[in-house]
Amino acid sequence: GAVVSQHPSWVICKSGTSVKIECRSLDFQATTMFWYRQFPKQSLMLMATSNEGSKATYEQGVEKDKFLINHASLTLSTLTVTSAHPEDSSFYICSARPAGVGLQYFGAGTRLSVL
Amino acid sequence: KQEVTQIPAALSVPEGENLVLNCSFTDSAIYNLQWFRQDPGKGLTSLLLIQSSQREQTSGRLNASLDKSSGRSTLYIAASQPGDSATYLCAVSGNYGQNFVFGPGTRLSALP
Repeated sequence: GAVVSQHPSWVICKSGTSVKIECRSLDFQATTMFWYRQFPKQSLMLMATSNEGSKATYEQGVEKDKFLINHASLTLSTLTVTSAHPEDSSFYICSARPAGVGLQYFGAGTRLSVL
Repeated sequence: KQEVTQIPAALSVPEGENLVLNCSFTDSAIYNLQWFRQDPGKGLTSLLLIQSSQREQTSGRLNASLDKSSGRSTLYIAASQPGDSATYLCAVSGNYGQNFVFGPGTRLSALP
């Protein structure tokens, strides 16, 4: 089956630093990748949709200058949390959609803790 | 705007019991519906996917049904086991698999 790899699985950083999270589709090409955020005891909320080679589309309330998304290839999307603050501590999950297929395959998630 | 709700929010059942989890969505124009399992601190494991044209899907002890017109789906788990303890998430997508909207989840405790 389709595999999506997300790295790192857990990261701790100091307030004010930037953190990059990678999402890779290992055995398929993903024209579209999605980034979700999950706060403790809450469900997943879509942050942004990225299409390869174009700018990401952000959901309402998500700061595009804070959460930088790059989808430079058909197998890799990155989410950079810039100037992270403790309130950015959350579980971030990516998903990838193969071209021509109406399904999303999910990564294992990245737990971000900002001190 | 699509909204997804799940009932109950939490459920405890003794081992061996059958159980039903419910999912409701407000906009029936969905592309597909998917049930996921999430263990604490972990990512998502896809359990069952139902396309909008289908009425149910089965995998082992799991059976999911879809009534698109009424905006409802149920996940039936037969003969629960302690290993079934997890949070179960229902999600619907519109527009050819885009715009996944998740429900809040049902936290299941299957007691030995």
